[in-house]
Amino acid sequence: EAGVTQFPSHSVIEKGQTVTLRCDPISGHDNLYWYRRVMGKEIKFLLHFVKESKQDESGMPNNRFLAERTGGTYSTLKVQPAELEDSGVYFCASSQGTGGYYGYTFGSGTRLTVV
Amino acid sequence: EDQVTQSPEALRLQEGESSSLNCSYTVSGLRGLFWYRQDPGKGPEFLFTLYSAGEEKEKERLKATLTKKESFLHITAPKPEDSATYLCAVRNYNTDKLIFGTGTRLQVFP
Repeated sequence: EAGVTQFPSHSVIEKGQTVTLRCDPISGHDNLYWYRRVMGKEIKFLLHFVKESKQDESGMPNNRFLAERTGGTYSTLKVQPAELEDSGVYFCASSQGTGGYYGYTFGSGTRLTVV
Repeated sequence: EDQVTQSPEALRLQEGESSSLNCSYTVSGLRGLFWYRQDPGKGPEFLFTLYSAGEEKEKERLKATLTKKESFLHITAPKPEDSATYLCAVRNYNTDKLIFGTGTRLQVFP
């Protein structure tokens, strides 16, 4: 079974530019989550999709972040315009059901550096 | 507010030297405490989920235990390949999101 795939693995952009991160969950997993780890801090929740619907977006920092999940398959996270404080590692996770009973599988992350 | 605190921040062990990692938590209705292992450049890799006080789970040299206030990850006779960052996270009854601690960075020397 293929795992959670994230692309790109690294991205370096200038302040003010736009970046789009992509996540391909495990096939059949309706639940998709985005998390972020800023240097020196803990991993923090950003949002949760159930199929194509946003179930919880309470962790999104501001309106410069836009997440979509087309047709309930892959998801994108766009940052526009990027700021220095957006630097960090963005993780995607997927789950077969809610509640963690089936486990949350994480991707390897996208390391975003805004200069 | 739900919170997870892990200690120590870093731990250096000699191969074979057993020890424990601590995860203290406050949560409004625990619906799972999760342990993950993370290697450099990789995402968190699932180890265990514990749901109620008194529960224990084992995997190879690792054993996780849970009380009403904290969880321990016991590492018995560690090997260099156990070197990694170990993350603890909790989930409450109201949401389907994980609240992570900052992790314990474990280094095991031969």
